Amino acid sequence: GAGVSQSPSNKVTEKGKDVELRCDPISGHTALYWYRQSLGQGLEFLIYFQGNSAPDKSGLPSDRFSAERTGGSVSTLTIQRTQQEDSAVYLCASSLVSRLDPTIPTEAFFGQGTRLTVV
Amino acid sequence: AQKITQTQPGMFVQEKEAVTLDCTYDTSDQSYGLFWYKQPSSGEMIFLIYQGSYDEQNATEGRYSLNFQKARKSANLVISASQLGDSAMYFCAMREGSGGNNDMRFGAGTRLTVKP
Repeated sequence: GAGVSQSPSNKVTEKGKDVELRCDPISGHTALYWYRQSLGQGLEFLIYFQGNSAPDKSGLPSDRFSAERTGGSVSTLTIQRTQQEDSAVYLCASSLVSRLDPTIPTEAFFGQGTRLTVV
Repeated sequence: AQKITQTQPGMFVQEKEAVTLDCTYDTSDQSYGLFWYKQPSSGEMIFLIYQGSYDEQNATEGRYSLNFQKARKSANLVISASQLGDSAMYFCAMREGSGGNNDMRFGAGTRLTVKP
C-alpha cells in the first residue's frame, strides 16, 4: 500500500487477555517505530527497529509488552495479560533511514493507529 | 531524562495572527534532526517541517517556519496567518545521531486553538 497500515483499527479486549497489533510499514522503509498515546496525551515511545540492528526496546513499559519485525517489514506488537491501563491508541510509523544519520530529512510516516480498549 | 520539552500545554491565537509554539531539546550529539507534527482531532499525524542540526538557515514550509536557536537548544514552530484549520495538537520531535539512540522521541505536545 501507499501508506503505513495498522490493524485492527479498533480492539476491545477483556482484562487478562493477550492482544496482537499489526503494522505494515511503507515498502522499503528500514526504520519502524511503535508509540502509545493515551487520550489527550503525547506520544510515548515504545520500541524502534532499524534495519538488521538490534531493536531499541528501551520504551517498553513492562515485560508484558514485546514486538517483533519479520523480514524487515511487518511488525507485530504483543501485549500479554492486558490491563486497563494499557488502553490507548497504539501508533506505528516508518521512515527511510538508510544510515544512522539523523540529518537526512526523512520524516516518519504514521499509520492511523489501533485504539485498544481493555475492559 | 526528558529529551524534548514543550512547556505550553495549550495556546490560543486569533485567526490571521501568528503564533509561536515552543520546543526545547536536550542532546549531546552534534548530529540530530528536529521535526514538528500536527495531530488534528481525527488523530492522524501530519508532518509539518524539519530542521537538521547542521542547517544554517531556519526551515520554512509555507506558513510554517522553524526558529532554530542551536546554542539555546530550541526549535520553536512559528505559524503565520493562523487559520481555523490549524486548531490541533502540535508535537515537536527529535532524532539523535550516532552517539545516542537513533529513534524519534516526541514532546508532550501543545494544543493550539485558533479563535475566529
